[in-house]
Amino acid sequence: EPEVTQTPSHQVTQMGQEVILRCVPISNHLYFYWYRQILGQKVEFLVSFYNNEISEKSEIFDDQFSVERPDGSNFTLKIRSTKLEDSAMYFCASSEYRVWAETQYFGPGTRLLVL
Amino acid sequence: AQKVTQAQTEISVVEKEDVTLDCVYETRDTTYYLFWYKQPPSGELVFLIRRNSFDEQNEISGRYSWNFQKSTSSFNFTITASQVVDSAVYFCALTGTASKLTFGTGTRLQVTL
Repeated sequence: EPEVTQTPSHQVTQMGQEVILRCVPISNHLYFYWYRQILGQKVEFLVSFYNNEISEKSEIFDDQFSVERPDGSNFTLKIRSTKLEDSAMYFCASSEYRVWAETQYFGPGTRLLVL
Repeated sequence: AQKVTQAQTEISVVEKEDVTLDCVYETRDTTYYLFWYKQPPSGELVFLIRRNSFDEQNEISGRYSWNFQKSTSSFNFTITASQVVDSAVYFCALTGTASKLTFGTGTRLQVTL
């Protein structure tokens, strides 16, 4: 069964460093998302992406964050200068169509720890 | 603004007991979708069900069932004859005219022998 994959599974970085989190969405999916979950808290929407541009972003997704689809398979989230409060689990998700309410399938997550 | 409330932070049951996880939502959208996701200890988010606002029929899938009541803005999830493998955090989520999911805070279910 096709699934969303994410690398790395864990990342430890120093405050101020740049990190890139990678995702490979399900191959025929067209709509991509990033969410984050701070330890013990709820899952929060960061950004949605379709047709090579951001469709929607939350207030969390400030200038320190960027997303890119560098090729036909990868979808990346970059944090330019990490802060302690960026420590969280980051989930990538994808859905098949650009239709609201289409089911989003999540990857296993990348646990980011900023020291 | 959309909001999902899962008032039960943690529930503990003994195996074979039935358990109901509550979900109450708020939205101004007339058309919306509700979801349940499971987050096992390994951390991934597993899709369980999607229900649209026009379909108030209850749904059953094996030991899982869902009760959607628009009148009370609730979308409750029942596990019948719970098993240890059901131990996880369960999230209710909502999407309206925007495609982003709004999640509740989750209910941690602990099933013991």
